[in-house]
Amino acid sequence: NAGVTQTPKFQVLKTGQSMTLQCAQDMNHEYMSWYRQDPGMGLRLIHYSVGAGITDQGEVPNGYNVSRSTTEDFPLRLLSAAPSQTSVYFCASRGTGNYNSPLHFGNGTRLTVT
Amino acid sequence: DAKTTQPNSMESNEEEPVHLPCNHSTISGTDYIHWYRQLPSQGPEYVIHGLTSNVNNRMASLAIAEDRKSSTLILHRATLRDAAVYYCIRDTGGFKTIFGAGTRLFVKA
Repeated sequence: NAGVTQTPKFQVLKTGQSMTLQCAQDMNHEYMSWYRQDPGMGLRLIHYSVGAGITDQGEVPNGYNVSRSTTEDFPLRLLSAAPSQTSVYFCASRGTGNYNSPLHFGNGTRLTVT
Repeated sequence: DAKTTQPNSMESNEEEPVHLPCNHSTISGTDYIHWYRQLPSQGPEYVIHGLTSNVNNRMASLAIAEDRKSSTLILHRATLRDAAVYYCIRDTGGFKTIFGAGTRLFVKA
């Protein structure tokens, strides 16, 4: 079972460059979200989506854009990367038929901005 | 505030039980308690969840206090593979699931 797939696994950017972190899930989950995790810290919610065409902000949305054109995909865009965005990024999904269903996470994208 | 309170770290010996505490004193009546764990270099994975009653599954047990202001994740026999960060989450049924720093569990051989 593929579950939640994130690409790339590693990325190095220079300040000011843009890139898109990809996230895809094959569980037909309505809900998807992006978190970032800085060294020694917990996860902070960046953006989330409750279905195609619907997105909203989490705790730390500044500097990131998202869109949701299909149920399967939820890409995260960095328009102008900054060193403060160096982090590990995790994508998660859950079914919303049962709102207490667990989150399923990908294995992360490690991003370094120099 | 939907955050919970957990100790920063705990240590256990291999093959001994581990009790990981979590305080959620502001929990409301419909909030579930979820536990996740994060192994090194991996994303978090679901462990167990419950509302009021104690819960068991193949990975762990969850004991929820009668007043629901605290809970304990129980690993019955810790192994080296259980060394991870354990997160206790209040699931409010909304869409902003908030993670704290969790408890880092060290397991000694």
